[in-house]
Amino acid sequence: GALVYQYPRRTICKSGTSMRMECQAVGFQATSVAWYRQSPQKTFELIALSTVNSAIKYEQNFTQEKFPISHPNLSFSSMTVLNAYLEDRGLYLCGAREGISNERLFFGHGTKLSVL
Amino acid sequence: QQQVRQSPQSLTVWEGETAILNCSYEDSTFDYFPWYHQFPGESPALLIAIRPVSNKKEDGRFTIFFNKREKKFSLHIADSQPGDSATYFCAASEDYAQGLTFGLGTRVSVFP
Repeated sequence: GALVYQYPRRTICKSGTSMRMECQAVGFQATSVAWYRQSPQKTFELIALSTVNSAIKYEQNFTQEKFPISHPNLSFSSMTVLNAYLEDRGLYLCGAREGISNERLFFGHGTKLSVL
Repeated sequence: QQQVRQSPQSLTVWEGETAILNCSYEDSTFDYFPWYHQFPGESPALLIAIRPVSNKKEDGRFTIFFNKREKKFSLHIADSQPGDSATYFCAASEDYAQGLTFGLGTRVSVFP
């Protein structure tokens, strides 16, 4: 079956430092990967969408300078939160889609980021 | 501005009743409307989705009703079971391949 693993599950970083999180598709080739953040008391906000053979598209309020993403192959994506501050805390979810026509987005369990 | 509005925030129903969850949207370019459910400790999973070519989509006990003119869509959970207790999120996007805009979620509790 299709699975999406995210690592680490939880992490704590000091204010002003950076944190890298990883997303791996297992059992399928992820043609697109979307990163979301769920902040406390909020819903899932789309950070960026990475599609094979296309540039990574960032949503308003999120930039490549702050959340650089690497998507080197169809199975792996990583995102770094640079200079993390209190407002960056939350659950970061990776959603991966298999194939071109498959509408189903498989989510990982997320990386919970706490900032001290 | 919340582009996808969801209500109620929480919902309690008895086993066997129909739970009704509502969503509305602003962006006329949205063309794909999925519902995801999330059980405690689990990641969100796609439950059912609809495109505006239809105004109704059924999958077992789950039905989406869609009203394009009013920009509203709802999820009906018929014959609710305790195992349906979860948080349900509606979402929308221009295309299923695009990123999703989620509602705030509805926490559904089904009591036996």
